[in-house]
Amino acid sequence: EVQLVQSGAEVKKPGESLKISCKGSGYSFTSYWIGWVRQMPGKGLEWMGIIYPGDSDTRYSPSFQGQVTISADKSISTAYLQWSSLKASDTAMYYCVRFVLSQWLFDYWGQGTLVTVSS
Amino acid sequence: SSELTQDPAVSVALGQTVRITCQGDSLRSYYASWYQQKPGQAPVLVIYGKNNRPSGIPDRFSGSSSGNTASLTITGAQAEDEADYYCNSRDSSGNRVVFGGGTKLTVL
Repeated sequence: EVQLVQSGAEVKKPGESLKISCKGSGYSFTSYWIGWVRQMPGKGLEWMGIIYPGDSDTRYSPSFQGQVTISADKSISTAYLQWSSLKASDTAMYYCVRFVLSQWLFDYWGQGTLVTVSS
Repeated sequence: SSELTQDPAVSVALGQTVRITCQGDSLRSYYASWYQQKPGQAPVLVIYGKNNRPSGIPDRFSGSSSGNTASLTITGAQAEDEADYYCNSRDSSGNRVVFGGGTKLTVL
């Protein structure tokens, strides 16, 4: 069974750094792209970027380029999303997703990690 | 603003048929995928490609496409189908992922 299990909810202050994780299991982690999707409170889905754990090829949405860093450690089947300096506007639910490039779709979703940034 | 446009809200009477649409220039070249998101839950893929359903998705869900519009049809809507529905595809350059703004489906 394919599973994407994300790290727990975080409460941070503006300016702090953060790295959240997503562990894949039940499939070959290095053979599929992993993506991150943001959902701000009461809003829709926004694609942030994707990474291919096999060779760490990474592609960002222009809206998130330079704002976050996506990485992966294939030895432990885990992908990461990190911020160096959080803003209140980063408050959102973040989903990790398995991305099927050949069909341009997200076929499995993690449970989500709620990030709250507040002073 | 999204390159895929969806109606913000649609309603349907219990047991009736409803179509949720997604418009965008890129849909002339690429298929859309559809996701269902219930309150407090992660989205779930319900339709992809020409008209494909992942395992476990009821056959009352179907997809179609014409010109710049992709459609998700629910034939015989059930109370449990009340949710937000999002389409996604590529942008007009073909290089980036885009989502529609979402449609809130109410089952009356």
